[in-house]
Amino acid sequence: ETGVTQTPRHLVMGMTNKKSLKCEQHLGHNAMYWYKQSAKKPLELMFVYSLEERVENNSVPSRFSPECPNSSHLFLHLHTLQPEDSALYLCASSQDGGVITDTQYFGPGTRLTVL
Amino acid sequence: GENVEQHPSTLSVQEGDSAVIKCTYSDSASNYFPWYKQELGKGPQLIIDIRSNVGEKKDQRIAVTLNKTAKHFSLHITETQPEDSAVYFCAASIRGYSTLTFGKGTMLLVSP
Repeated sequence: ETGVTQTPRHLVMGMTNKKSLKCEQHLGHNAMYWYKQSAKKPLELMFVYSLEERVENNSVPSRFSPECPNSSHLFLHLHTLQPEDSALYLCASSQDGGVITDTQYFGPGTRLTVL
Repeated sequence: GENVEQHPSTLSVQEGDSAVIKCTYSDSASNYFPWYKQELGKGPQLIIDIRSNVGEKKDQRIAVTLNKTAKHFSLHITETQPEDSAVYFCAASIRGYSTLTFGKGTMLLVSP
């Protein structure tokens, strides 16, 4: 266990549904991240939060909406997704976030399938 | 932006052999290079990393080398074991907020 948990582990949703992914870290870290992992593609950074403020948003479509209510929790709200959004969504955390050499610890991911 | 190329995409070795995975990066300002191992059904786990002021780092059976001039770095696994079978990702970091650019991954298969 890395100290980063994600729920649900699997999610199937229709294109008109609204769902949320949850991430929780038990490491006392100050930075949290959302990544998208698609087959045969590199991990894509989606969002970065540092001390509950969003500091990176890598041109992610507005149908993905992140929320960080505190430094231990991170959500990804999903609405009107497309089939090409099907992927493994990974959450990660790191101690500081403002340090380039900060180690990131990943959760197990949520396998999302959009029908 | 940064671009990381990783080779090979798959690597099959016999137990006890060595395995080498290579990555190149494009931005000479990159200064942190972690390697992650991802097993089936799990998220990536950091196995070793290297900073740009170091040329080589070892941790038991794994080692990483960095050539800043050529802008490439490699992962070396010696005496491979079946439990080393996984997907390995290299990454490079340049900007603040620990933003990592990942390679596409190498699936390592170690046969008993």
